Parts: sequence; C-alpha cells; structure tokens
Amino acid sequence: SQKIEQNSEALNIQEGKTATLTCNYTNYSPAYLQWYRQDPGRGPVFLLLIRENEKEKRKERLKVTFDTTLKQSLFHITASQPADSATYLCALDGRAGGGADGLTFGKGTHLIIQP
Amino acid sequence: GAGVSQTPSNKVTEKGKYVELRCDPISGHTALYWYRQSLGQGPEFLIYFQGTGAADDSGLPNDRFFAVRPEGSVSTLKIQRTERGDSAVYLCASSLGAGEETQYFGPGTRLLVL
Repeated sequence: SQKIEQNSEALNIQEGKTATLTCNYTNYSPAYLQWYRQDPGRGPVFLLLIRENEKEKRKERLKVTFDTTLKQSLFHITASQPADSATYLCALDGRAGGGADGLTFGKGTHLIIQP
Repeated sequence: GAGVSQTPSNKVTEKGKYVELRCDPISGHTALYWYRQSLGQGPEFLIYFQGTGAADDSGLPNDRFFAVRPEGSVSTLKIQRTERGDSAVYLCASSLGAGEETQYFGPGTRLLVL
C-alpha cells in the first residue's frame, strides 16, 4: 500500500543553522510533491510544490529537492529563525498512488528552532 | 481577500448526536476538499467536490458521514450518530479548480464527542 514517511519526532535546530526535513514515500509515482506548514490550532499553509521533472526548487530561505529514484524529498530552511518553528507536512497527489483525488499527507515533522 | 472559513471553530457533542460542520471556500474556487486530522497525524482525505457534485467521496469512513455543496460554494459536512472516535479536527480546503494543485486550508473545526 501507499506510504509516506516523515520523521515524526521533533527536530531541534539552533537558530541560524540549516534545518533539513525528510519525506520518503513508497508505492507512489507522484507527478508532484508539496510541502505545507502547520502551526498549532491552524490549518496547513502551502509553501512549495515541486514536480517530478524538477530536481530542486527555491523560495526565499526555503529549498526543496525531489529524487524520484530514491522516492525522497528533502526540505531545507536556511538561516533558520525561531519563527520557523512549526510542523511541516509533506503531501502527495493521492491519485498518484491509485487513491483519491485529495492530497495524501505524511504525519509531519515538528521543527523547533532554538534561539 | 478572505480565506477559507469554517464554523463552528469548536463543537462539543454527545455520543449519538448529529452534527453539521460548515465551510466557506475562497470566492471563485470551484474545488473543495474535506479532511480529518487526528492528534499527531497528518490530514486524511474525506471527500472532494468539483462544483456542486462530489467527484470523489472515497475517503468517507462510513455511511454516517455525508457532505453537500448545493450551490457550488458553501459546503456542509454532516455526521450522524456521532461516536467518540469521530473526535478530530475537520479541515476544509479549496482550490481554483480541477488540476490546480495548491490547496488553501481553513482553520478547522475541532469536534469533541463525549
């Protein structure tokens, strides 16, 4: 069955360093992969989308890579700030796994940036 | 402009009761999604509307769950004979249309079934 894995344990990073989050998937052939940010008590907020034919995409301090051979995406936040502390969710097109029209999400990684 | 709004923000009900959760999508967005999120988990897809019709309801867990979108805008998720296991945050999202990948989420409705 389709599976998306994110490190669900909290990731502690010192302010100013680069935070790297991992998303691995199995039994999918996604046309694209998305990353969302979720703060406590709020809905997810879209950050970046990367397509299967793209190796890397950047937006300000954010960088996403997508390796369809390894079935993995890496999400980087450079020059991290305490305000970056949140849960980050990886999402795939559910149809890519033979499933539904909605997104299929990982459990998320809770990122804590220590001042 | 206004984002996706959901009401109520919190709902406490007793086991066996009926509840309705409302979603107002972003104006002009034809695609609407409902998800359910349990503590420590990512959102789980429930149902997708394109316009007024439910294009995919494969995520609804059982026939106690039903959703409508009669005019292609506001949507209501209805849960009959609620059970304690239904307690979760119910999220609504909208997007411009079919094939538009980015989804815009509302703040969610926190449902607690006692």
